[in-house]
Amino acid sequence: GAVVSQHPSRVICKSGTSVKIECRSLDFQATTMFWYRQFPKQSLMLMATSNEGSKATYEQGVEKDKFLINHASLTLSTLTVTSAHPEDSSFYICSAVPFRGIYEQYFGPGTRLTVT
Amino acid sequence: QKEVEQDPGPLSVPEGAIVSLNCTYSNSAFQYFMWYRQYSRKGPELLMYTYSSGNKEDGRFTAQVDKSSKYISLFIRDSQPSDSATYLCAMINPTEGGKLIFGQGTELSVKP
Repeated sequence: GAVVSQHPSRVICKSGTSVKIECRSLDFQATTMFWYRQFPKQSLMLMATSNEGSKATYEQGVEKDKFLINHASLTLSTLTVTSAHPEDSSFYICSAVPFRGIYEQYFGPGTRLTVT
Repeated sequence: QKEVEQDPGPLSVPEGAIVSLNCTYSNSAFQYFMWYRQYSRKGPELLMYTYSSGNKEDGRFTAQVDKSSKYISLFIRDSQPSDSATYLCAMINPTEGGKLIFGQGTELSVKP
């Protein structure tokens, strides 16, 4: 149980285009989903917290107009990187918290974004 | 000073060794403690989850929490080459809405 999927696993796009990444909890409902980015040899950096039916809460320094988050249902959250630039190239990972009132977070496999 | 400190390693041990991974923290509001394992180019996998001081065992893994010293550890017994990965400690302050605060991660290599 507690499986989280991400799609796509890898994407290459041209500078100036937008990319959408999906995060799904496959066997549980998630009250909260989180989005992280990770650079090589570094730990995960929290970008935003996403709650179903409400606006995402962004961490300081994260541009909310650039990284659009939509938590459409209790099993799906999407991250759209708008007008992507090469510096947005990174590993994006989502996590989901089961609707059990506890704090276990389960992570997706990640999406590697390369902007050329 | 970072809220959570973790030696990034790398740590290299022979197969069968006991591995000790450690984190210290400064915020006494942290109440929940996790250990994640991350293989290269993959998402983190939850290994252990504790919320009280003391030891918690799961197979070859033992998580230890000492809230008075603000120190947590993960022990891996009979380490295997398949344990080679980056191990991340993470903590939660319940008043912060479940946000994980990660350590830097320790890169472990178990040599056959």
